[in-house]
Amino acid sequence: EAQVTQNPRYLITVTGKKLTVTCSQNMNHEYMSWYRQDPGLGLRQIYYSMNVEVTDKGDVPEGYKVSRKEKRNFPLILESPSPNQTSLYFCASSLGSGSDETQYFGPGTRLLVL
Amino acid sequence: AQSVTQPDIHITVSEGASLELRCNYSYGATPYLFWYVQSPGQGLQLLLKYFSGDTLVQGIKGFEAEFKRSQSSFNLRKPSVHWSDAAEYFCAVGPSYYNQGGKLIFGQGTELSVKP
Repeated sequence: EAQVTQNPRYLITVTGKKLTVTCSQNMNHEYMSWYRQDPGLGLRQIYYSMNVEVTDKGDVPEGYKVSRKEKRNFPLILESPSPNQTSLYFCASSLGSGSDETQYFGPGTRLLVL
Repeated sequence: AQSVTQPDIHITVSEGASLELRCNYSYGATPYLFWYVQSPGQGLQLLLKYFSGDTLVQGIKGFEAEFKRSQSSFNLRKPSVHWSDAAEYFCAVGPSYYNQGGKLIFGQGTELSVKP
């Protein structure tokens, strides 16, 4: 089954404790992105990657890191989480061919930073 | 600047009634347009998309949307709402003019409640 998976689905942590949220897609997609969803703001892009070893900042990158060492994986790293990073996070992927820009989303990771 | 506006934060309709959710966008080129649905505690599911061609597009679950270039709108409609349609609906436009990994710009979302 074609899908985007994220782990963990739920996470409670404390300020300053490094964490990683994993994302994997099995559709051989070139493009991958991380978004955060906050009430009244919709989804905003954090980081994106257009290929292996090619990553760049989205609209709200502060406090986050990413890496793309393999095509299928795109982990999101919070080196020193703060309470303002409490949010719902979505990983997404798309073909990147220019002819179909449909983004497919993972199930989401709900993060609470105390 | 590119943006998407969903004017209605919350809508309540009776089961069996028709539904229209509004979406207006600002974009510098011909956009790709999407509607996603998010059920409580769930991820985002693609309802339908418009890339080109026929401006009336059909999606899953009986939804349709019409692209009106003159009004910069892409409203979502359903002729008869079911209780299971209660969810949050997001309109999105993309990809970013500068591509940015196919970034989508999302509206704020419209929460739909369905009365029995």
